Amino acid sequence: DVKVTQSSRYLVKRTGEKVFLECVQDMDHENMFWYRQDPGLGLRLIYFSYDVKMKEKGDIPEGYSVSREKKERFSLILESASTNQTSMYLCASRTGFWQPQHFGDGTRLSIL
Amino acid sequence: TQLLEQSPQFLSIQEGENLTVYCNSSSVFSSLQWYRQEPGEGPVLLVTVVTGGEVKKLKRLTFQFGDARKDSSLHITAAQPGDTGLYLCAGDEGGGADGLTFGKGTHLIIQP
Repeated sequence: DVKVTQSSRYLVKRTGEKVFLECVQDMDHENMFWYRQDPGLGLRLIYFSYDVKMKEKGDIPEGYSVSREKKERFSLILESASTNQTSMYLCASRTGFWQPQHFGDGTRLSIL
Repeated sequence: TQLLEQSPQFLSIQEGENLTVYCNSSSVFSSLQWYRQEPGEGPVLLVTVVTGGEVKKLKRLTFQFGDARKDSSLHITAAQPGDTGLYLCAGDEGGGADGLTFGKGTHLIIQP
């Protein structure tokens, strides 16, 4: 089975902090994704990466950056956390184009 | 970004009843995926449909992809309390490494 592991299930940070969310997949997947999920808005794509050191902006990249130095790891960075970034963050990966995505269990992030 | 309209948003029915969830778009998708998500967990892939008119069955769940690949439905027969959860449809625009376009989800509650 595909395993996508997010480093924290719950995280509480303060406004202005730099926050790192980590995601690791164990199936040698090419593509990795970061989404946020908010009530009434559904899942929205923040950033994705189709290969090591490659990254592309999704629909809502403002206030975020990403890093993919190794194939199995995709990090989401909140440069200066703000309260409107309180959300559930979901990481996903897939083998390649047109293949289904597999999700981690999510990180529920609260910015105080 | 293509939009997916999912309906109903909320559904509460008695155990043993049948139900259908709809996912509609004005645009064509190369494939469509259905996920189920439980509270505090990430979405879990149920099925991927690729061909227009395709029907897939997963025990009591029947998934259909519209002939024009613009819409899909999920039908549950004889619903059980274990079917309770958030059902998400997600469209893959295809042709690249972009993330999925998600519907906002259907919150399903099956009462014993």
